[in-house]
Amino acid sequence: DAGVIQSPRHEVTEMGQEVTLRCKPISGHNSLFWYRQTMMRGLELLIYFNNNVPIDDSGMPEDRFSAKMPNASFSTLKIQPSEPRDSAVYFCASSLDPPGEKLFFGSGTQLSVL
Amino acid sequence: AQSVTQLDSQVPVFEEAPVELRCNYSSSVSVYLFWYVQYPNQGLQLLLKYLSGSTLVKGINGFEAEFNKSQTSFHLRKPSVHISDTAEYFCAVSEPNTGNQFYFGTGTSLTVIP
Repeated sequence: DAGVIQSPRHEVTEMGQEVTLRCKPISGHNSLFWYRQTMMRGLELLIYFNNNVPIDDSGMPEDRFSAKMPNASFSTLKIQPSEPRDSAVYFCASSLDPPGEKLFFGSGTQLSVL
Repeated sequence: AQSVTQLDSQVPVFEEAPVELRCNYSSSVSVYLFWYVQYPNQGLQLLLKYLSGSTLVKGINGFEAEFNKSQTSFHLRKPSVHISDTAEYFCAVSEPNTGNQFYFGTGTSLTVIP
């Protein structure tokens, strides 16, 4: 079992650039979550997909952030344009129905915006 | 709205001493409860979970937690900690009947002192 796979592991970019984070959930899982972790705010839910459909995106900070899930095996989180305050660790997690029993996390993407 | 409160942001404890990490939640419906552990530079891993049944739940690495519905708490305990238990611990809640969302606390940093 490969687990949840995120890429890249580390991303360093300059302010204003576009950043794309990628996630491959565990095969067969039908729910996918994007979280952001910072020292100040802890672990924040950004967006949640179920069966490839965004269910709750109320945690997305602003219009600069967008997320897609074109199929059951792939999701992206895009920041355009990036800002230094976006620097954080971004985690992807997936789960299988029945709802709410367990989340499987990827190793995260460490994003630094200079 | 669901919320999870971890009352202690940092807990230092000496090796082989007992530890309790506190977690309270707010919900008017039935919930599932979880503790996740995050070791440095890694993603979150499930430590234990309460879905139903016995209110005392045993997890990996000698940890256990007790669900107290009247106090809406799910405190994590270990009778004797090891250096290797140094990590960030997150309490989480999901509402199985209202969707597949997970709500995380802000985390407790456990530092075991030799």
